[in-house]
Amino acid sequence: DAKTTQPTSMDCAEGRAANLPCNHSTISGNEYVYWYRQIHSQGPQYIIHGLKNNETNEMASLIITEDRKSSTLILPHATLRDTAVYYCIVNVPGANSKLTFGKGITLSVRP
Amino acid sequence: NAGVTQTPKFQVLKTGQSMTLQCAQDMNHEYMSWYRQDPGMGLRLIHYSVGAGITDQGEVPNGYNVSRSTTEDFPLRLLSAAPSQTSVYFCASTTRRDRADYEQYFGPGTRLTVT
Repeated sequence: DAKTTQPTSMDCAEGRAANLPCNHSTISGNEYVYWYRQIHSQGPQYIIHGLKNNETNEMASLIITEDRKSSTLILPHATLRDTAVYYCIVNVPGANSKLTFGKGITLSVRP
Repeated sequence: NAGVTQTPKFQVLKTGQSMTLQCAQDMNHEYMSWYRQDPGMGLRLIHYSVGAGITDQGEVPNGYNVSRSTTEDFPLRLLSAAPSQTSVYFCASTTRRDRADYEQYFGPGTRLTVT
């Protein structure tokens, strides 16, 4: 059973905000939402995570709906280097040695 | 910190050969994991460890062994390589914080081809 569903791909223009959606309608109360990305041929890179409040760091913002059934990762000013596969994962803290990666969403940033 | 290091970067094996993929981290992380990634697919968990001396199976453990004798090292052994094990292998280690939220750090990967 897939815990998250993401579109297969999307693109955005360089310098514009990229909004990446994720559905996790079966998320349980103690599960966090994590986002990772994988730039071609490299190991995945942690971006951000949250439980129910919106979160922001130097890379991105994470907006989680009030019912926690979906979330959006926002890259405020996308650059060509943000072209990557982005994975939305739900997981219980303490079990993060066992992340389950789906196919993710391929973001293409165009000049 | 070097972070998570993996050796070798590339390897070609013949069917039936054995080898060990090395993984080391210098961040004093308790949790470490091995994943494989096949073309066009997400990562699948092979084995993981929650501390020295403790290992457990992930989603696709068959054909692989692990051990964790130190906090720093988590080698992955292929006992008898098969073409189905052709893949990119990633090792990861995980932070542990007071707030009980964690992030994984991944190594650069080992690209293995079994002929």
